[in-house]
Amino acid sequence: AQSVTQPDIHITVSEGASLELRCNYSYGATPYLFWYVQSPGQGLQLLLKYFSGDTLVQGIKGFEAEFKRSQSSFNLRKPSVHWSDAAEYFCAVGGINAGGTSYGKLTFGQGTILTVHP
Amino acid sequence: DAGVIQSPRHEVTEMGQEVTLRCKPISGHNSLFWYRQTMMRGLELLIYFNNNVPIDDSGMPEDRFSAKMPNASFSTLKIQPSEPRDSAVYFCASSPRQGGNYEQYFGPGTRLTVT
Repeated sequence: AQSVTQPDIHITVSEGASLELRCNYSYGATPYLFWYVQSPGQGLQLLLKYFSGDTLVQGIKGFEAEFKRSQSSFNLRKPSVHWSDAAEYFCAVGGINAGGTSYGKLTFGQGTILTVHP
Repeated sequence: DAGVIQSPRHEVTEMGQEVTLRCKPISGHNSLFWYRQTMMRGLELLIYFNNNVPIDDSGMPEDRFSAKMPNASFSTLKIQPSEPRDSAVYFCASSPRQGGNYEQYFGPGTRLTVT
């Protein structure tokens, strides 16, 4: 079965500093990978997605993520964090298993809460 | 284009009462998902539909929960009777592609409190 691990429950950075949120996954064959952001009291917003091709994916709000198959990782990065980036971030995985069939659903990580200090 | 619409945004009810949550997916999307989010269990998939047909309801916690999608633009999640442990935020999401594997777009959620 597919699974997602976000090792950091809570991260604190200063405004203007760079950010990297970690995501590790397990899957059968071909992962489809996503990052979502959730602000308090709101739904999840899609930041970016990876299906195939270029392993560096650009998303909205200045975020990017890099797919590293050898490390089973899909870490989210931003070069300079803004106070409005404070939120909870979720990594998710779907895809195709080794038998060639769809997993049929997304599996979400437990989330990483980002706090931004002024 | 409007996003996923959910109603009500907040619901407070007493134990034993019936609760109905409503969702309007993004127009043209083929798949619809119901999730539940709690601090303890995180985000859980309850059920999803492809072209209005329920595909996977293995996440529905028990028979008190039921979901319908009578047409492409409307779905309901019903809890009858409700219990305090059902208190959570319930999200509806839709996807432009079938299969459950692809990007999903979430509504703002319904915060349910059962007293």
